[in-house]
Amino acid sequence: ETGVTQSPTHLIKTRGQQVTLRCSSQSGHNTVSWYQQALGQGPQFIFQYYREEENGRGNFPPRFSGLQFPNYSSELNVNALELDDSALYLCASSLNGVGTQYFGPGTRLTVL
Amino acid sequence: GENVEQHPSTLSVQEGDSAVIKCTYSDSASNYFPWYKQELGKGPQLIIDIRSNVGEKKDQRIAVTLNKTAKHFSLHITETQPEDSAVYFCAAPLEPDNYGQNFVFGPGTRLSVLP
Repeated sequence: ETGVTQSPTHLIKTRGQQVTLRCSSQSGHNTVSWYQQALGQGPQFIFQYYREEENGRGNFPPRFSGLQFPNYSSELNVNALELDDSALYLCASSLNGVGTQYFGPGTRLTVL
Repeated sequence: GENVEQHPSTLSVQEGDSAVIKCTYSDSASNYFPWYKQELGKGPQLIIDIRSNVGEKKDQRIAVTLNKTAKHFSLHITETQPEDSAVYFCAAPLEPDNYGQNFVFGPGTRLSVLP
């Protein structure tokens, strides 16, 4: 069984730039949720993708967007980066969008 | 929406002692509560979870108790070991009416097990 993987591990961008983060779900899982974890805080829900459509969204602006592909992998895109976007971005996969979520190792984004 | 509080924020115990972390939630409709362990530089790892139809669940040295009336649940770690040192997060469903869809996390408890 393959666990959740994310790429890249670390990323440094400057304010105003755009970034794309990638996630491959655990084998057999068809749903991916994205979370933002600021330093010293718990993860905060961004949005979820199920069957290639957004299926729930947290309190994040539209410059945070995503995609899910037929193989259930997913991308998180952030436009017009701000300094406060610096965080660990986590994806979690689950089956049919319910129950237990399994997290990947995260992508550390630093915005300068 | 759901709100989750977690205490204490830091906890130091001697190796072999027990550790208890407590969380409260606000929405009485919440019915699934996972606990995650996060080690430095890694993503959260599910260690135990409990559904609202039971009051307690055990897995070796780890147990979770749930009090639906008081809307709180607790993580109990017995016979602590240095490798238990990590940040622990509790969570509750973001939208309780949508069973376990996504989660609100507590702020975390940094557990240090001293040898």
